Amino acid sequence: AQSVSQHNHHVILSEAASLELGCNYSYGGTVNLFWYVQYPGQHLQLLLKYFSGDPLVKGIKGFEAEFIKSKFSFNLRKPSVQWSDTAEYFCAVSELSGGSYIPTFGRGTSLIVHP
Amino acid sequence: GAVVSQHPSRVICKSGTSVKIECRSLDFQATTMFWYRQFPKKSLMLMATSNEGSKATYEQGVEKDKFLINHASLTLSTLTVTSAHPEDSSFYICSAPLPGQAFNTEAFFGQGTRLTVV
Repeated sequence: AQSVSQHNHHVILSEAASLELGCNYSYGGTVNLFWYVQYPGQHLQLLLKYFSGDPLVKGIKGFEAEFIKSKFSFNLRKPSVQWSDTAEYFCAVSELSGGSYIPTFGRGTSLIVHP
Repeated sequence: GAVVSQHPSRVICKSGTSVKIECRSLDFQATTMFWYRQFPKKSLMLMATSNEGSKATYEQGVEKDKFLINHASLTLSTLTVTSAHPEDSSFYICSAPLPGQAFNTEAFFGQGTRLTVV
């Protein structure tokens, strides 16, 4: 079965610091990759996604992620975080299984940005 | 850590029947739960926000009479797909945020339910 690991469970940064959140998955076949964000009191929102093509994906609010197939990784980055980036971030991977895409989520990373 | 349990994980039903999916917060009280649906090759789509003791808030385009949501207690929300049709086949996932956190940033997801309508 697919598993998704987010190595950083809690991250605390100061504004303007750079951010990188790790995400690794276990499946070696065709996958679709996502990062979601949940701001305080809000529902989940899609940050970015990768299906195919350029492995460097740019999302909303200055976020980007790089798919490295050989490392089974899809790390999320932002060069300079803001206080408003305080949120919970989830990596998700969908694998093709039995004709359907089965999504698996990481447990999430809580990011707190101090002003 | 906090756990959200969703049941069943997989269900196959006949067209025209109804299916109930349960979402339970196992070790915390959840006044709010979110129900999502995921289509193949697409990201999660928020269907509705389930509020304990009051009516659910549905997103635009989601049929409230087809997707009945009940949040009768602080630990249980149910999604009932009524008169299911093959186009309702999908992956449904719930999530619940932890209450009482300073930033209310932590949310936990159920493992999802794969519904197949034949």
